Amino acid sequence: SQQGEEDPQALSIQEGENATMNCSYKTSINNLQWYRQNSGRGLVHLILIRSNEREKHSGRLRVTLDTSKKSSSLLITASRAADTASYFCATWGPGGYQKVTFGTGTKLQVIP
Amino acid sequence: NAGVMQNPRHLVRRRGQEARLRCSPMKGHSHVYWYRQLPEEGLKFMVYLQKENIIDESGMPKERFSAEFPKEGPSILRIQQVVRGDSAAYFCASSPPSLAGAYNEQFFGPGTRLTVL
Repeated sequence: SQQGEEDPQALSIQEGENATMNCSYKTSINNLQWYRQNSGRGLVHLILIRSNEREKHSGRLRVTLDTSKKSSSLLITASRAADTASYFCATWGPGGYQKVTFGTGTKLQVIP
Repeated sequence: NAGVMQNPRHLVRRRGQEARLRCSPMKGHSHVYWYRQLPEEGLKFMVYLQKENIIDESGMPKERFSAEFPKEGPSILRIQQVVRGDSAAYFCASSPPSLAGAYNEQFFGPGTRLTVL
């Protein structure tokens, strides 16, 4: 089964609303990243949060991490149509090398 | 500085043929990773290579799949005798050299979409 599981699997909102996506994972991690993937394209790195951080901001993005619950959330404020994409969380755990494990993704649709 | 480049972007093969997917990492990056993404799913790790070395191929099927990252030239993911189940998007990522145990961001290419007829 996947290390990361995003919830919900799909989300549809109106432009200007906030979108919240959650990610749960199973094993201990060094850091957690969120990526965006536009339809038919590669992944774009959005934000990284380390295991000793609880919250991080980048523009309209806010990420939280709760290592006790093994979960993270991504909040996109004031959403735009251009935010329509799939969002993945990925975890990097101890192991000495850079194997990143991706979740199954949340498909976000922002309706203009 | 060009990003990670992959070619071809789309590849169509008939069952039993060979597929060769190429990945040119970003300049200065010596680590390459290959991932496979099936429709409606997340990316699954396949293999991690450094120049001339396979570091971890635990995500790669034991048969028909191979990967290399030669001293010169791009990294190649090779799939022999393709089957319909190999149809997927294959993404390559690269990262710069790092200290052991230190994380470096992976930069992704646009992917190669393989369709097996």
